[in-house]
Amino acid sequence: DTVLTQSPALAVSPGERVSISCRASEGVNSYMHWYQQKPGQQPKLLIYKASNLASGVPARFSGSGSGTDFTLTIDPVEADDTATYFCQQSWNDWTFGGGTKLELK
Amino acid sequence: EVQLVETGGGLVQPGRSLKLSCVASGFTFSSYWMYWIRQAPGKGLEWVSSINTDGGSTYYPDSVKGRFTISRDNAENTVYLQMNSLRSEDTATYYCAKGIAANWFAYWGQGTLVTVSS
Repeated sequence: DTVLTQSPALAVSPGERVSISCRASEGVNSYMHWYQQKPGQQPKLLIYKASNLASGVPARFSGSGSGTDFTLTIDPVEADDTATYFCQQSWNDWTFGGGTKLELK
Repeated sequence: EVQLVETGGGLVQPGRSLKLSCVASGFTFSSYWMYWIRQAPGKGLEWVSSINTDGGSTYYPDSVKGRFTISRDNAENTVYLQMNSLRSEDTATYYCAKGIAANWFAYWGQGTLVTVSS
């Protein structure tokens, strides 16, 4: 299985830039995708294939990376961005990272 | 507007079976892969099963292989998850998702809660 590792939590102030990382245990080419999940809601697609913005997602969100190291960036962070962010790969079956909980100071 | 509505969750005893359904609307159902993904209370996401557009290919992780079966009815715009030999560790909210080929999950339903307990 391809294991995806994310930092458990981050805290930032509104208006700042935040980078959320995801490291794969083996290369996944560019087949890394990102989701946002707010409490009590289903996940929502933000970024597909490493750097492509999903429809309707604000341009404050961006993605980068290839191979084993990927980053989701939010710039600037807004209060509404409080959520857990998950990465997911589809190069070798489908697996998710453990999620990064983003809190605002 | 894409809609995915899951039903069939509930409380079930260990070792028993349950069948989940997901009715889709707002898109050409037969053109998309469909998926089931679960989330245990307070935990992360786990992929559970995948099915291609015509139902001819299905995929499962080892944690459910041999116990769960995904199927679809393109005439009824519905995807199913038959869950047998349920265990306490299967307790989770089960989401169905519309996939973009064998890749990412473009849209998720609201989920249905399955609780396995005696």
